[in-house]
Amino acid sequence: EVQLVESGGGLVQPGGSLRLSCAASGFSFSLYSMSWVRQAPGKGLEWVSYINNGGTATYYADSVKGRFTISRDNAENSLYLQMNSLRAEDTALYFCARPIHCGTGASCYDDCWGQGTLVTVSS
Amino acid sequence: EIVLTQSPGTLSLSPGERATLSCRASQSVFNNYLAWYQQKPGQGPRLLIYGASSRATGIPDRFSGSGSGTDFILTISRLEPEDFAVYHCQQYGTSPRTFGQGTKLEIK
Repeated sequence: EVQLVESGGGLVQPGGSLRLSCAASGFSFSLYSMSWVRQAPGKGLEWVSYINNGGTATYYADSVKGRFTISRDNAENSLYLQMNSLRAEDTALYFCARPIHCGTGASCYDDCWGQGTLVTVSS
Repeated sequence: EIVLTQSPGTLSLSPGERATLSCRASQSVFNNYLAWYQQKPGQGPRLLIYGASSRATGIPDRFSGSGSGTDFILTISRLEPEDFAVYHCQQYGTSPRTFGQGTKLEIK
């Protein structure tokens, strides 16, 4: 069974940092690109970042560019999101997702999602 | 970026009824690269439809997608109790991919 399990969320002060993890199982992780998507409370979904299967190409939403870094460890079947300089507007449920087809660049749809990990940025 | 507007915001129907959900794009969606997802409380989204009208693996045939260009529809032909959830549309034809704000389908 394909499974994605996020962890690492929590309460952090504005300006702080947090590292999210996503553990993948049930498929050949190293063959797939991966994405992070977030959902602010009561809001719609927002794509955050994408990484190709080898980790050599990364893309970011303008709202997080320069502050967030996506990475992966194919030997550990894990995906990461390092979040620095956090702001109140970064408060959201963060999902990792498996893109299955991309129209252009990192613009894809996903066939598998985790249940999310909650990040709250507040003083 | 392409803005997707979903309507209605909330749809109240009874089991057995037909549901019609709309997703309108601010500009034409390249190649009709439009997906629909279902999301239940405490869960991640579940892929229903891709390419505007192709059902994902394991999705019942009561779910169908249609439309092209800027106007897309998700139809649930006969609602089952497990279909009451939030539905999101998403375009992946242009970077960055964008999502609608969601339609909540609730039991009347």
